[in-house]
Amino acid sequence: EIVMTQSPATLSVSPGERATLSCRASQSVSSNLAWYQQKPGQAPRLLIYGASTRATDVPARFSGSGSGTEFTLTISSLQSEDSAVYYCQQYNNWPPYTFGQGTKLEIK
Amino acid sequence: QVQLVESGGDVVQPGRSLRLSCAVSGLTFSSYGFHWVRQGPGKGLEWVTVISNDGSNKYYADSVKGRFTISRDNSKNTLYLQMNSLRAEDTAVYYCARSYCSNGKCIFDYWGQGTLVTVSS
Repeated sequence: EIVMTQSPATLSVSPGERATLSCRASQSVSSNLAWYQQKPGQAPRLLIYGASTRATDVPARFSGSGSGTEFTLTISSLQSEDSAVYYCQQYNNWPPYTFGQGTKLEIK
Repeated sequence: QVQLVESGGDVVQPGRSLRLSCAVSGLTFSSYGFHWVRQGPGKGLEWVTVISNDGSNKYYADSVKGRFTISRDNSKNTLYLQMNSLRAEDTAVYYCARSYCSNGKCIFDYWGQGTLVTVSS
């Protein structure tokens, strides 16, 4: 089973600034890495797949990068509505599909 | 628009059974595989199971193997999760999600709103 590790656990960033979230896989997942956003009381929403491709209707301020075992989600010019928990997930080697434990992004 | 609507969540005693449903609309149901993903209270996301578009292939997380069964009825555009021998650690919100695949690599692009299962005596 591939273990996904996210850092930091919590991130506090001011509006308009940049947020950088990290995700590490215990073995290579190539570019088969997705990012999801989950707001309180809501279902997860697909943001990024293929490590760097934005899903439909995802604002351009969200970008993903990386391959192999190291990945980054960058949110440029943070807005208040970006406050959420962000999960990475690998879909290269399955079953099982595995998620990271999440990064909680707080807007100062 | 695409909609996935889960139902069937309830409070059940340990050892009992429960069946969840996920009604899907706005897409060609029989063309896609579907997943169940769960989230314990205050916890992260855990993949539970997946079924192929025709129901011929099913995979399970070790934590539910032998106790949970995924199925589908393509005539009713509905996905199911039969949960037997429930345990306290199965307490979670259960989401269904569409599996969108390319060359065997599948993303979860549409999700339902979830249904809460509480296992407690």
